[in-house]
Amino acid sequence: DSGVTQTPKHLITATGQRVTLRCSPRSGDLSVYWYQQSLDQGLQFLIHYYNGEERAKGNILERFSAQQFPDLHSELNLSSLELGDSALYFCASSVGPESNTGELFFGEGSRLTVL
Amino acid sequence: GNSVTQMEGPVTLSEEAFLTINCTYTATGYPSLFWYVQYPGEGLQLLLKATKADDKGSNKGFEATYRKETTSFHLEKGSVQVSDSAVYFCALSGGGSNYKLTFGKGTLLTVNP
Repeated sequence: DSGVTQTPKHLITATGQRVTLRCSPRSGDLSVYWYQQSLDQGLQFLIHYYNGEERAKGNILERFSAQQFPDLHSELNLSSLELGDSALYFCASSVGPESNTGELFFGEGSRLTVL
Repeated sequence: GNSVTQMEGPVTLSEEAFLTINCTYTATGYPSLFWYVQYPGEGLQLLLKATKADDKGSNKGFEATYRKETTSFHLEKGSVQVSDSAVYFCALSGGGSNYKLTFGKGTLLTVNP
């Protein structure tokens, strides 16, 4: 158990809909990262928050948005969903603002299926 | 930008066989290098890391050496077990791309008894 909690574990929805994925980082971790894992693209970095502020953006679509709340949990909002958004979405956390020396702790992921 | 290339799988081995999974990288500056492992139905977890050239990371019988001259970080294990069956990801961070890990596409390893 990494200590990172993601909900829901599985989600099935239709094209055009909007969903929210939630992540609670490990106790004491201030950084939250979101990644998308799909068979064709592999593991793609989406966005990073540190202590409530956005620190880095990766390959995140404009239809997607995220935020980190004062209690440090984070939400990833996916709207106008398309079939290609079907993927496993991982949240990870770390203590500090940089991942180059520290370790990221991953949740078990939220599997999104868009029909 | 930063990128990681690792050997495509799947890799299938018999128990006690020798394992090598190749990983090469492209990065500016001096990145840190990592191997993560993803067991079935679980999230990724750090297996080992190396933060500077010639460092050797090791854990659970796995090893990888940071080779700057060949920009490589190959994962090796002398004798694999069935419980090592998982997807292995090579990753890098830093070196001009702070705050995020760049992952390879992953290599599925299956170890048969």
